[in-house]
Amino acid sequence: GAVVSQHPSRVICKSGTSVKIECRSLDFQATTMFWYRQFPKKSLMLMATSNEGSKATYEQGVEKDKFLINHASLTLSTLTVTSAHPEDSSFYICSLLLGDSYEQYFGPGTRLTVT
Amino acid sequence: QKEVEQNSGPLSVPEGAIASLNCTYSDRGSQSFFWYRQYSGKSPELIMFIYSNGDKEDGRFTAQLNKASQYVSLLIRDSQPSDSATYLCAVGYSNYQLIWGAGTKLIIKP
Repeated sequence: GAVVSQHPSRVICKSGTSVKIECRSLDFQATTMFWYRQFPKKSLMLMATSNEGSKATYEQGVEKDKFLINHASLTLSTLTVTSAHPEDSSFYICSLLLGDSYEQYFGPGTRLTVT
Repeated sequence: QKEVEQNSGPLSVPEGAIASLNCTYSDRGSQSFFWYRQYSGKSPELIMFIYSNGDKEDGRFTAQLNKASQYVSLLIRDSQPSDSATYLCAVGYSNYQLIWGAGTKLIIKP
């Protein structure tokens, strides 16, 4: 498998501020990474597909101007939640795609709380 | 619309018994199937993948795939309390995305 880190693991921010979450591949060059959101007791919801060197592809209903994704290198993708509101409080998880397979390996997740 | 269906549970199994988790999918053209385990408050962890019809064994885990019936299952032998988690079934879709089931919560009773 692949080892993925996320930072921070937990963040509390005030409404209206922006928060950046980093997702790093520690042992593998990842052309494609995914960003998910998961609300309590709910399943994973894919937010966007992040491709190195190009614009992210967002799922229907996900605001690209609110959730800014940058995948500037083969080992780092970032998600910035802009002008966060309490309803953005959730568990944000990134994953990377291993080679040409469908295998995805997940980071440990970031729990965002917006007050 | 492509879907992956799982019984939400909870599925309660005595320690030492076999836990059987099931998943059906709607896209007959799907080729890749995955089982992830997710502990409460943690991110998913890949435990098995299967691409061909039949059984695939890895330690105490066996994945079973029946493409004709559009059915994939996960068997856990000699269940342990540490196996208590939510198990997510995922099916490969286009652009290397996965379609996710809602997960089955498994409880292993000591």
